[in-house]
Amino acid sequence: EIVLTQSPATLSLSPGERATLSCRASQSVGSYLAWYQQKPGQAPRLLIYDASNRPTGIPARFSGSGSGTDFTLTISSLEPEDFAVYYCQQRSSWPPALTFGGGTKVGIK
Amino acid sequence: QVQLQQWGAGLLKPSETLSLTCAVYGGSFSGYYWNWIRQPPGKGLEWIGEINNLEDTNYNPSLKSRVTISVDTSKNQFSLKLSSVTAADTAVYYCARLPRKFRHFDYWGQGTLVSVSS
Repeated sequence: EIVLTQSPATLSLSPGERATLSCRASQSVGSYLAWYQQKPGQAPRLLIYDASNRPTGIPARFSGSGSGTDFTLTISSLEPEDFAVYYCQQRSSWPPALTFGGGTKVGIK
Repeated sequence: QVQLQQWGAGLLKPSETLSLTCAVYGGSFSGYYWNWIRQPPGKGLEWIGEINNLEDTNYNPSLKSRVTISVDTSKNQFSLKLSSVTAADTAVYYCARLPRKFRHFDYWGQGTLVSVSS
């Protein structure tokens, strides 16, 4: 099983600041890594797929980078609605299995 | 617009079987893996398993002995059964769609809180 380790567990920042979140895989996942945002009481929302692609409707302040085992989600300038928990996720093709990172909570400083 | 709508019993006793169903509206049922994910209160996300329209299934090894995911393509629905539940199975359960040519979820259900208590 591929283990995803996210760091830091908690990030305290102010609106307008830059947020940098990390996700490290225990073995290479190529570019097949996704990022989700989750707010209390809501289902996760897809932010980034295949490491660096934004779905339609996701603001440009969200960007992803990385490949292999090290990935980064960057929020260039935090908006009030960006304070939430962020998860990374991978799906391996063989054996078929899917794992999530433990999450990073971005809180207001 | 694709929508996933899920339902099922929200309160169970230990040793009972959890049963949830997810209906898919507004899209094709083929070409996707249909997944179940859960989230214990205050904790992270855990993948349970998936099924496609051909009834091919993949399960989380840690839950495999207790999980059955099935599909009813005539109704565009898929279901989760988790047997012998304990308090550790208390969680919000989500259904979600994963396109077969990708490796991420693009649509999620609203979530169902299932509590296990004697």
